[in-house]
Amino acid sequence: DAGVIQSPRHEVTEMGQEVTLRCKPISGHDYLFWYRQTMMRGLELLIYFNNNVPIDDSGMPEDRFSAKMPNASFSTLKIQPSEPRDSAVYFCASSFSAPGLAGVATKNIQYFGAGTRLSVL
Amino acid sequence: DAKTTQPTSMDCAEGRAANLPCNHSTISGNEYVYWYRQIHSQGPQYIIHGLKNNETNEMASLIITEDRKSSTLILPHATLRDTAVYYCIVRLLPNRDDKIIFGKGTRLHILP
Repeated sequence: DAGVIQSPRHEVTEMGQEVTLRCKPISGHDYLFWYRQTMMRGLELLIYFNNNVPIDDSGMPEDRFSAKMPNASFSTLKIQPSEPRDSAVYFCASSFSAPGLAGVATKNIQYFGAGTRLSVL
Repeated sequence: DAKTTQPTSMDCAEGRAANLPCNHSTISGNEYVYWYRQIHSQGPQYIIHGLKNNETNEMASLIITEDRKSSTLILPHATLRDTAVYYCIVRLLPNRDDKIIFGKGTRLHILP
């Protein structure tokens, strides 16, 4: 498997423009996560999906951010309008919930893409 | 909520074993311990996980204390390519009261 694939790898845009980040999870995985990483705030979880359904979007900073997962093999994170403070590296990760030992909670090992480095000027 | 405490940074000489500690004193009985690392400009990379027993794979070994309140990640023969931030995690899904999955981690410097 090629792993989690993100595109584009780099995006430079001007303030006010719409930005769309794309993610292809690992085939067969049932969870998909979007993270944002900055020097100041570290790695923050923005939203995650289970079986294409958004489960928790409380990390999405503002209404300018939206995420969709129309099918099991594709997700988008959209910023509209973009602002300079949105500049960061955005990571997508996917995982497969696997049963752990009998009576123990499931494992959920996440595998990350290479990220999209976004610069908003 | 289970949270982890790690040293901010550590140094290790190339070729020596790197031992990275992690405290997770409030871990629940059904929570795994996971380790990830992030090399500069790359996405976090899964290393290893464990529940009670010590674990070993091609990348590292994980030693979990009997009371499960702490663990140590061991890189047996550190190389310069092991320079990275290492994250110890006990929950890979957020819950209502704790949205933080990846903390600050330990910045490991491998010295030539």
